Amino acid sequence: GENVEQHPSTLSVQEGDSAVIKCTYSDSASNYFPWYKQELGKRPQLIIDIRSNVGEKKDQRIAVTLNKTAKHFSLHITETQPEDSAVYFCAANGDAGGTSYGKLTFGQGTILTVHP
Amino acid sequence: NAGVMQNPRHLVRRRGQEARLRCSPMKGHSHVYWYRQLPEEGLKFMVYLQKENIIDESGMPKERFSAEFPKEGPSILRIQQVVRGDSAAYFCASSPPIVETQYFGPGTRLLVL
Repeated sequence: GENVEQHPSTLSVQEGDSAVIKCTYSDSASNYFPWYKQELGKRPQLIIDIRSNVGEKKDQRIAVTLNKTAKHFSLHITETQPEDSAVYFCAANGDAGGTSYGKLTFGQGTILTVHP
Repeated sequence: NAGVMQNPRHLVRRRGQEARLRCSPMKGHSHVYWYRQLPEEGLKFMVYLQKENIIDESGMPKERFSAEFPKEGPSILRIQQVVRGDSAAYFCASSPPIVETQYFGPGTRLLVL
């Protein structure tokens, strides 16, 4: 099955700096990679996702890059703000068309702290 | 368009009791997924259902846990004879047909005394 590794486990930055979180996956058949933000006691909230036919996607201060050959993808947050502080999770789906297609395997999470 | 709804939001049970967690997907979504999150850990897949069908239950413990998504009504995750190790947040997510994007509900926080 799929295995997703996420680094770093904690990340502390100053307001205005950039933050980068990296994930690797094991299943070469995975083709969908979402990122979720979870604040304490709240639901995971989808912030951006990328499919395997695209190498990069950007939405305002957030961008995601995907390297299919190396099987890794990264989240980039620019001009960080204190309200970006949360736990961020990467995920990868199972093989399309198989029964695990809908299953998301999550990374262990990164606690991002943005200091004012 | 209401988001994914879960109830109850908090549930307290004593060891040996049953817990029933409910999930109503977003309107137009026919796929439901259940995930478990232990304190300060990531989300672990449990089960993937479509109406009246279990598609993938590879993450479900073999005993005491069951899930259903009937033709009418919410999806239900049922835990029989709960133990303290079942204490966790249980999140439901839903997606439309053929689209991978999953939207999460607010979760049910189960505490087993």
